[in-house]
Amino acid sequence: QQPVQSPQAVILREGEDAVINCSSSKALYSVHWYRQKHGEAPVFLMILLKGGEQKGHEKISASFNEKKQQSSLYLTASQLSYSGTYFCGTVRLDSNYQLIWGAGTKLIIKP
Amino acid sequence: EAQVTQNPRYLITVTGKKLTVTCSQNMNHEYMSWYRQDPGLGLRQIYYSMNVEVTDKGDVPEGYKVSRKEKRNFPLILESPSPNQTSLYFCASSLSMTDTQYFGPGTRLTVL
Repeated sequence: QQPVQSPQAVILREGEDAVINCSSSKALYSVHWYRQKHGEAPVFLMILLKGGEQKGHEKISASFNEKKQQSSLYLTASQLSYSGTYFCGTVRLDSNYQLIWGAGTKLIIKP
Repeated sequence: EAQVTQNPRYLITVTGKKLTVTCSQNMNHEYMSWYRQDPGLGLRQIYYSMNVEVTDKGDVPEGYKVSRKEKRNFPLILESPSPNQTSLYFCASSLSMTDTQYFGPGTRLTVL
């Protein structure tokens, strides 16, 4: 079952902040965040694991609420380069390490 | 240079003509995966392989086959392609399921 991302799209001015959410109906083992620019392959941002471990870029922050099966990606002081579509992927505790992706959140940054 | 390569990058074919999309990684990664991406649907996993000995179906395996005979290669096979398999395909690899996935550049497939 696909995780639900919100919002579907957001438009920001450069320097503004954004939060992108990812929600699952099942208990999660991990949440993965990637960014994809038009015509390119997705690029890794962060992985959050059950138990609190995180792997990712220093300038990206995210949270993982295990009880609520929710994760949020925080983009602060946005830059034009942050534009793109953000995907969360989830691995459920009851799955065989299958990674299921959300439909994506399109982020547009205007100067 | 560490990378995932896919070939071909673009392919136009006809219904029923068997095709293979190759995927190769030079990072000694255990985990490899195939995705298809369609507008509004995001990435959907077709097959994944935890290591050379373990391969499993993803979300949308119907009409696809994979092979993992050696660690570096993970080809995607369409035995009898149909128009609904027209899509953008990505191969990805990582050390493990909980590590960074590196994506190939994508293969845009059109089945007429």
